[in-house]
Amino acid sequence: GENVEQHPSTLSVQEGDSAVIKCTYSDSASNYFPWYKQELGKRPQLIIDIRSNVGEKKDQRIAVTLNKTAKHFSLHITETQPEDSAVYFCAASFPSKIIFGSGTRLSIRP
Amino acid sequence: DAGVIQSPRHEVTEMGQEVTLRCKPISGHDYLFWYRQTMMRGLELLIYFNNNVPIDDSGMPEDRFSAKMPNASFSTLKIQPSEPRDSAVYFCASSLGNSNQPQHFGDGTRLSIL
Repeated sequence: GENVEQHPSTLSVQEGDSAVIKCTYSDSASNYFPWYKQELGKRPQLIIDIRSNVGEKKDQRIAVTLNKTAKHFSLHITETQPEDSAVYFCAASFPSKIIFGSGTRLSIRP
Repeated sequence: DAGVIQSPRHEVTEMGQEVTLRCKPISGHDYLFWYRQTMMRGLELLIYFNNNVPIDDSGMPEDRFSAKMPNASFSTLKIQPSEPRDSAVYFCASSLGNSNQPQHFGDGTRLSIL
């Protein structure tokens, strides 16, 4: 069936360290993988996305990698800052819709 | 550039009452999505429209939920009668194209059914 699994569900890192969030998807035909950040009480906002013809994409401190063979993709945040604290959702495209992972609550320790 | 606009931002009502949530998508976007977010179930797709036509309503929990899109700039999600377990944040999102394009979310409606 159509499924996106996301790990870990919670993540706490020291400010300045890196954070990595991993997702797997079920359909090898999926070809679009967005990541959303949701701050407390706010709407999900797109922070980066990647398409299946690319293995890696970077935007300042954020990078996403995609392994099509293994059907998994990851979000990497380097030099974490307090404002990175939020819930992060991965998602994958399926024939008719996008399905979201269950979310990762990232906390940055001072 | 206006984003997706939802109203109301907050709604508190008693169980059994009818609830109507409203959404105005980004101008020019041809897809509109309704999501429900809870701690237990995460972000669930309820229904989506393409060019005002409902395409997939398999996520609508039961017959008490209905959604319409009478024109390209307006959609409603209705719950009648409402129940306490319907309490959640309801998001509307729109996109240009379907599953291979970014979705832009509104600020959501926080619904509490007493």
